[in-house]
Amino acid sequence: RKEVEQDPGPFNVPEGATVAFNCTYSNSASQSFFWYRQDCRKEPKLLMSVYSSGNEDGRFTAQLNRASQYISLLIRDSKLSDSATYLCVARSGANNLFFGTGTRLTVIP
Amino acid sequence: EPEVTQTPSHQVTQMGQEVILRCVPISNHLYFYWYRQILGQKVEFLVSFYNNEISEKSEIFDDQFSVERPDGSNFTLKIRSTKLEDSAMYFCASGQEMARRNTGELFFGEGSRLTVL
Repeated sequence: RKEVEQDPGPFNVPEGATVAFNCTYSNSASQSFFWYRQDCRKEPKLLMSVYSSGNEDGRFTAQLNRASQYISLLIRDSKLSDSATYLCVARSGANNLFFGTGTRLTVIP
Repeated sequence: EPEVTQTPSHQVTQMGQEVILRCVPISNHLYFYWYRQILGQKVEFLVSFYNNEISEKSEIFDDQFSVERPDGSNFTLKIRSTKLEDSAMYFCASGQEMARRNTGELFFGEGSRLTVL
């Protein structure tokens, strides 16, 4: 059973486009949710936390629906530097993070 | 900016050999973790460590694996007898003490790539 599931993509979008990623989680006891970003052959880095009320950080908007166990990330006005793999993450237990397989995004000039 | 450091960056070993991967977590962090990522696959939780003991471990973390914090700064992962399927990138991570405002953010090292031949 996969704790966190995401569409692996790839998503290829032109600069300036809006792109949305979705994710579902199976453990209803999961306490917190995050989007991490991972560049090719690099370590994961926190992009943003996801709150039930929805939250925004610049061009990035994250949403959580606990009833549907669904998380989303919206990126507006895509930049070339947004090209990366976006990891949906659920936290449970002793602050342990469970990662989805990631959604690969390529922003094209 | 404080960071998690890992050594070696890449290790090649023969099947059956012992490997020790080393990590220096961020100094004021209290929670330590090892994750691994097989090439092209997801980041997988191995083990979490708090207060000098394992707090949680996954099915992957069998008797061949062990962790240690020998001197208050280093955090090591030992694989006793490596198998081909242990080839992966191993990430060490650390996090601050859980508190009311804990964001749950973990800080990852750049990883140690293990290749088992």
